[in-house]
Amino acid sequence: TQLLEQSPQFLSIQEGENLTVYCNSSSVFSSLQWYRQEPGEGPVLLVTVVTGGEVKKLKRLTFQFGDARKDSSLHITAAQPGDTGLYLCASRGGTSYGKLTFGQGTILTVHP
Amino acid sequence: DVKVTQSSRYLVKRTGEKVFLECVQDMDHENMFWYRQDPGLGLRLIYFSYDVKMKEKGDIPEGYSVSREKKERFSLILESASTNQTSMYLCASSPPLTLSGNTIYFGEGSWLTVV
Repeated sequence: TQLLEQSPQFLSIQEGENLTVYCNSSSVFSSLQWYRQEPGEGPVLLVTVVTGGEVKKLKRLTFQFGDARKDSSLHITAAQPGDTGLYLCASRGGTSYGKLTFGQGTILTVHP
Repeated sequence: DVKVTQSSRYLVKRTGEKVFLECVQDMDHENMFWYRQDPGLGLRLIYFSYDVKMKEKGDIPEGYSVSREKKERFSLILESASTNQTSMYLCASSPPLTLSGNTIYFGEGSWLTVV
């Protein structure tokens, strides 16, 4: 099972600040997904990255996949209180089952 | 709209009880999963199923079993609940994986407390 190390575990910032969350592995990802989870709900997919060096943008969120496909980052510009939640990176297995292995998660709190 | 429904949101059970957590999806997905979520540990895979009556162990199957008699329904069973199984349980489903990575859809979760 691939191990994903996510950092930081907790992030508490003021509205308007920028932040970056990291996801690392000792082995190569076949693909990597980022999820966001709000309290009382299940995780919801934000993005999937597949190609090394890939950059995807989702409004104020920028996702980057490392060239060697062993790390990824999520950058949020000008964070808002609505960004508060648990952010999870996950790697899908290479079989057709595609079971997800998750990082520990980053709990983000954005204060007004 | 895509829907994964977990029948119970909150349960309180006694140690030693048999517990059933039910999950139904309406997307005709082949793959279904059960995860548990604990603070600081992320989500850990308990069991998954890629077809009716087929099941595979995940990373932490001990103390759990599953049943998939129909494509749309995947049940998680705790034969004899213990306090260390107090957790949030998440069901998910997905179609077969493609290179671009199909979305996995999660239910809202079931909070189980074993006392």
